[in-house]
Amino acid sequence: ETGVTQTPRHLVMGMTNKKSLKCEQHLGHNAMYWYKQSAKKPLELMFVYNFKEQTENNSVPSRFSPECPNSSHLFLHLHTLQPEDSALYLCASSLTAGGPPDNEQFFGPGTRLTVL
Amino acid sequence: QKEVEQNSGPLSVPEGAIASLNCTYSDRVSQSFFWYRQYSGKSPELIMSIYSNGDKEDGRFTAQLNKASQYVSLLIRDSQPSDSATYLCAVTAQGGSEKLVFGKGTKLTVNP
Repeated sequence: ETGVTQTPRHLVMGMTNKKSLKCEQHLGHNAMYWYKQSAKKPLELMFVYNFKEQTENNSVPSRFSPECPNSSHLFLHLHTLQPEDSALYLCASSLTAGGPPDNEQFFGPGTRLTVL
Repeated sequence: QKEVEQNSGPLSVPEGAIASLNCTYSDRVSQSFFWYRQYSGKSPELIMSIYSNGDKEDGRFTAQLNKASQYVSLLIRDSQPSDSATYLCAVTAQGGSEKLVFGKGTKLTVNP
């Protein structure tokens, strides 16, 4: 595996389900990110982890719960989601969360989430 | 309020022409500027980064930054049909060089 991988690629869940999204980076990076991309809206930063520590929570509802067990893996735990949470969820990584060029971010393929 | 503005397009150019994509941003303290290309149904791919005023060239791509005018652009020379995609402008936000604010993107179509 190379780059940034995400699983699953597609997920359909009911509002009462609990599911998790997984991201893994094979780039030796130390910062990882979750983004949400909805139709006709800009890419929106959700969470930032730098060396496993959360450094940013962009006012994300608590039904989204991130976890970063090490610098290579990032999870997004989902529970009691709403239909408006349907979107493409993208993971990204960068060398660090520091200054340029270490902050250049590289994206995974995304998970297309549909909440029924 | 942090904002990144792009003309949503679509921008249509003939093959071989120069495509010019523009982006303005509102946060004066932004320090890093990026252009991503996103094909339909795919994730964003970093194609250019620029950190200081002036031009930066990489192959057929040239990024231009003017911090005084809070303006960054991307020129694509000798446009190819494979360049047809949505181009996203992203800038770092105040408070952290890792916090990217994205524009909505400009859809580019290169006609053969």
